[in-house]
Amino acid sequence: AQSVTQLDSHVSVSEGTPVLLRCNYSSSYSPSLFWYVQHPNKGLQLLLKYTSAATLVKGINGFEAEFKKSETSFHLTKPSAHMSDAAEYFCVVSDRRAGFQKLVFGTGTRLLVSP
Amino acid sequence: DGGITQSPKYLFRKEGQNVTLSCEQNLNHDAMYWYRQDPGQGLRLIYYSQIVNDFQKGDIAEGYSVSREKKESFPLTVTSAQKNPTAFYLCASSMGQDQETQYFGPGTRLLVL
Repeated sequence: AQSVTQLDSHVSVSEGTPVLLRCNYSSSYSPSLFWYVQHPNKGLQLLLKYTSAATLVKGINGFEAEFKKSETSFHLTKPSAHMSDAAEYFCVVSDRRAGFQKLVFGTGTRLLVSP
Repeated sequence: DGGITQSPKYLFRKEGQNVTLSCEQNLNHDAMYWYRQDPGQGLRLIYYSQIVNDFQKGDIAEGYSVSREKKESFPLTVTSAQKNPTAFYLCASSMGQDQETQYFGPGTRLLVL
């Protein structure tokens, strides 16, 4: 079965410093991977997705993620954090064998940004 | 504007009561999904529907029911059999089973009185 592990439940950064949110995945075949962001009491917004076209994926709001098959990782990065980036981030893998579009979610990483 | 709407934003349930959460989309998407979110956990799939008049159980369907009479609507009923209903409920849609990107609504928070 597909699974994802988000290695940090909380990450704290200062505004203007780099952001790194870590995600490892487990898959028996080449997966599709996503990062979603959720602001408090809001729905989820897609940041970016990887579907085997390119290993470095650029998303919205300056975020990007790199697919590393050898490390089974899909870490999310941003060069410079902004206060508005404070939110919860979910790493997600798609399980195609389910016969439909089943998303398997990580437990989330809460990003805290201090002035 | 195209999107997914959920109502109400907050919902209170009394013991033994069934409540229904609304989800509507105007994206012309074929597939719709219901997820439950609890603190410190990822989203868990309750039910999904790939076409009108058809739906399937997800990972945690017990105590919930759905209907899909129209393409744009996928209401979720939380029945009295669901003993721990307090959670944040999210509805999503995608173009079809081969379209991987799901788009989410703003959510409904269900609380028990």
